[in-house]
Amino acid sequence: AQTVTQSQPEMSVQEAETVTLSCTYDTSESDYYLFWYKQPPSRQMILVIRQEAYKQQNATENRFSVNFQKAAKSFSLKISDSQLGDAAMYFCAYRSDRTGTASKLTFGTGTRLQVTL
Amino acid sequence: EAQVTQNPRYLITVTGKKLTVTCSQNMNHEYMSWYRQDPGLGLRQIYYSMNVEVTDKGDVPEGYKVSRKEKRNFPLILESPSPNQTSLYFCASSLWAEGSLGGYTFGSGTRLTVV
Repeated sequence: AQTVTQSQPEMSVQEAETVTLSCTYDTSESDYYLFWYKQPPSRQMILVIRQEAYKQQNATENRFSVNFQKAAKSFSLKISDSQLGDAAMYFCAYRSDRTGTASKLTFGTGTRLQVTL
Repeated sequence: EAQVTQNPRYLITVTGKKLTVTCSQNMNHEYMSWYRQDPGLGLRQIYYSMNVEVTDKGDVPEGYKVSRKEKRNFPLILESPSPNQTSLYFCASSLWAEGSLGGYTFGSGTRLTVV
């Protein structure tokens, strides 16, 4: 079974600075997807960024980028130029590319990000 | 607007009183799933459905039931709720096809308290 580990329960960053959230996962599969979801106080789950395992190039979405290290099974999220609106709980998630098990998203336990002035 | 609609957003109930949390999506997605979120545990899958009349257990199915009679609806049923089912619940759906990129669309969540 796949597992996702987020070892940082809480992180803090100053506005306009850069912060990196860590995520590692365990799988025996070669094809899969990785995601970062943001959950603000409104509790809505918002997709921040996704990465296909077969792609070597790291995904980027504006101020958000990932460092995907497939061999190390690591998938960290970098937030540049942090803004107050980035304060939220961030979840790392894994999804298999195999039909049948493909419906399941496996989540980490989350990292709460605080943004200070 | 493409969305997953969950109701109610908040619910307080008493132990043993049957309840249903509704979930509906308007994106013609095949996959639907229920998760519960608890502090320190992240989100855990309760049940999922790959299509109409096809449902299966997730990681924490005890005490829950689901049905998928129509493609758009996937209600979560608690026949006899207990206090340990107090949690934040999310419904989610996904289109699984080449090029869909595998992401889920989540509902707004239901905060359930069982006293």
